Amino acid sequence: DVKVTQSSRYLVKRTGEKVFLECVQDMDHENMFWYRQDPGLGLRLIYFSYDVKMKEKGDIPEGYSVSREKKERFSLILESASTNQTSMYLCASSLSGRDRNYEQYFGPGTRLTVT
Amino acid sequence: LAKTTQPISMDSYEGQEVNITCSHNNIATNDYITWYQQFPSQGPRFIIQGYKTKVTNEVASLFIPADRKSSTLSLPRVSLSDTAVYYCLVVMDTGRRALTFGSGTRLQVQP
Repeated sequence: DVKVTQSSRYLVKRTGEKVFLECVQDMDHENMFWYRQDPGLGLRLIYFSYDVKMKEKGDIPEGYSVSREKKERFSLILESASTNQTSMYLCASSLSGRDRNYEQYFGPGTRLTVT
Repeated sequence: LAKTTQPISMDSYEGQEVNITCSHNNIATNDYITWYQQFPSQGPRFIIQGYKTKVTNEVASLFIPADRKSSTLSLPRVSLSDTAVYYCLVVMDTGRRALTFGSGTRLQVQP
């Protein structure tokens, strides 16, 4: 069974703090993704990575950065948290897609509140 | 980029077949269509993927017309446990570029 784990289910941070959200997958997947989910807006892609040290911006990268030093781990960093970054953050992983299998496996999510 | 559009909500009764349509007018030649199910407080769960015509697995069918500008997820004989939000997502070939999920369709199944 593929497992994607996220470091916290709930997190409360103050405005201006640097925040790290960690994601680990155990299936040797090449691709990893960070999304945020807000009511009425569905899931929006923040960043994704298709290999170690590789990253590409998604639709809403402003205010975020990422790090992928090891294949199994993908970190999302909020350099200076703001209240408009209060959201549910979801990490996902998938195979490369070379075999046309595009299934993404999602973690349980981290609900971040910035006060 | 292929933007997806789905109905916001649908209602059904147990035992009925439910069809949820997603519009993706500017889908590219090499894009694939995937569908996910999400329950409250959980991450989305993959249901099915397809490129053209019809794909069926143990839980759903996916119908894609020849022009591929839309797709329909078909859930046979729904039960109360199928109450969830359903998302379609268009993925570029190679899977490197996962495009934004739409807002999803909230399916409510009544007894």
